[in-house]
Amino acid sequence: GDSVTQMEGPVTLSEEAFLTINCTYTATGYPSLFWYVQYPGEGLQLLLKATKADDKGSNKGFEATYRKETTSFHLEKGSVQVSDSAVYFCALSGYGQNFVFGPGTRLSVLP
Amino acid sequence: EPEVTQTPSHQVTQMGQEVILRCVPISNHLYFYWYRQILGQKVEFLVSFYNNEISEKSEIFDDQFSVERPDGSNFTLKIRSTKLEDSAMYFCASNAQGGSNQPQHFGDGTRLSIL
Repeated sequence: GDSVTQMEGPVTLSEEAFLTINCTYTATGYPSLFWYVQYPGEGLQLLLKATKADDKGSNKGFEATYRKETTSFHLEKGSVQVSDSAVYFCALSGYGQNFVFGPGTRLSVLP
Repeated sequence: EPEVTQTPSHQVTQMGQEVILRCVPISNHLYFYWYRQILGQKVEFLVSFYNNEISEKSEIFDDQFSVERPDGSNFTLKIRSTKLEDSAMYFCASNAQGGSNQPQHFGDGTRLSIL
């Protein structure tokens, strides 16, 4: 079945550092890909999405490019802030309506 | 911005008891979902619901689970006889259209603790 793999956390960075969180997927066909963020005590919020190969999703300084050849959708941000501390989930949506989530990566940004 | 709301935020229940988790999806949304997240593990799909019937369910969603849209606004998840391993965070989600390219909007979740 479909699956999503993410780099294991936690990831700890200093403020203004560059962030990469790796995400790779296995799916039948051409899924849509998403990044969700979960701040402490809150639900899952959509961060960005890409629905076809070579699409780049972007939001709040975060970017991710749908790479079909490497089945990847890595999340990047050029300069992280303390307020970016959260758990980040990569997810795909394939033929079914349900989402398949990765295990999540906890990011801690230190001042 | 419209939100998916879930109640209660925390539910503590004795093993073997029935529990109902409630969700109010965004008002013009037609597709509804339940997911769960056991502490420290990934978010797992339970069930999707459209046009007053289940459209898809996972292996987790066995006979102990049921969903209902009792009126025009609520969407509920019932666990008939809870087990210790049902302890998890349960998330409700909705979207206006089905289809793989549509993001789902999530509530803040209900933390279910089975004693």
